[in-house]
Amino acid sequence: AQTVTQSQPEMSVQEAETVTLSCTYDTSENNYYLFWYKQPPSRQMILVIRQEAYKQQNATENRFSVNFQKAAKSFSLKISDSQLGDTAMYFCAFMSNYGQNFVFGPGTRLSVLP
Amino acid sequence: DGGITQSPKYLFRKEGQNVTLSCEQNLNHDAMYWYRQDPGQGLRLIYYSQIVNDFQKGDIAEGYSVSREKKESFPLTVTSAQKNPTAFYLCATTVRQGASLSYEQYFGPGTRLTVT
Repeated sequence: AQTVTQSQPEMSVQEAETVTLSCTYDTSENNYYLFWYKQPPSRQMILVIRQEAYKQQNATENRFSVNFQKAAKSFSLKISDSQLGDTAMYFCAFMSNYGQNFVFGPGTRLSVLP
Repeated sequence: DGGITQSPKYLFRKEGQNVTLSCEQNLNHDAMYWYRQDPGQGLRLIYYSQIVNDFQKGDIAEGYSVSREKKESFPLTVTSAQKNPTAFYLCATTVRQGASLSYEQYFGPGTRLTVT
């Protein structure tokens, strides 16, 4: 069974600074997808970024980028120029190629400080 | 206006009563999921359905039941057998593309269930 680990329960960063959230996962599959979701206080889950395992290039979405290390099974999220609106819970998630397994990590609570 | 609707936003029930949480989608997505979220924790999968009239148990299905009679609807019943039903419940969908499911889940706004 797949597992997703986020080793940082809480983190904080100063506004405009850069922060990196860690995620590791365990799977025996070769093709899969990885995601970072954001859950602000409203509790609405919002997709931040996704990565297909077969792509070597790291995904980027504006201020958000990932460092995907397939051999190490690592998938970290970097937030540049942090904004107050980035304050939220961040979940790393794994999806198998055929969607039978969609597994979430326990989350990292990020606080952006003014 | 496409999306996923979960109603109500807050639900209160007495212990021993069954309660059904609604999840409706007009995205024409094939697969639907129910998750439970407890305070300070991640999401845990209760049930999922990839096509109409078919569904599979997730990691914590005990005390819950579902049905999928229509593509648009995937209601979740929390039965009196569920020992700790108070939680935040999230419904999600994905769309099938060929033999594989799309690589993204879309989430509803969630229902906060409190059982006393």
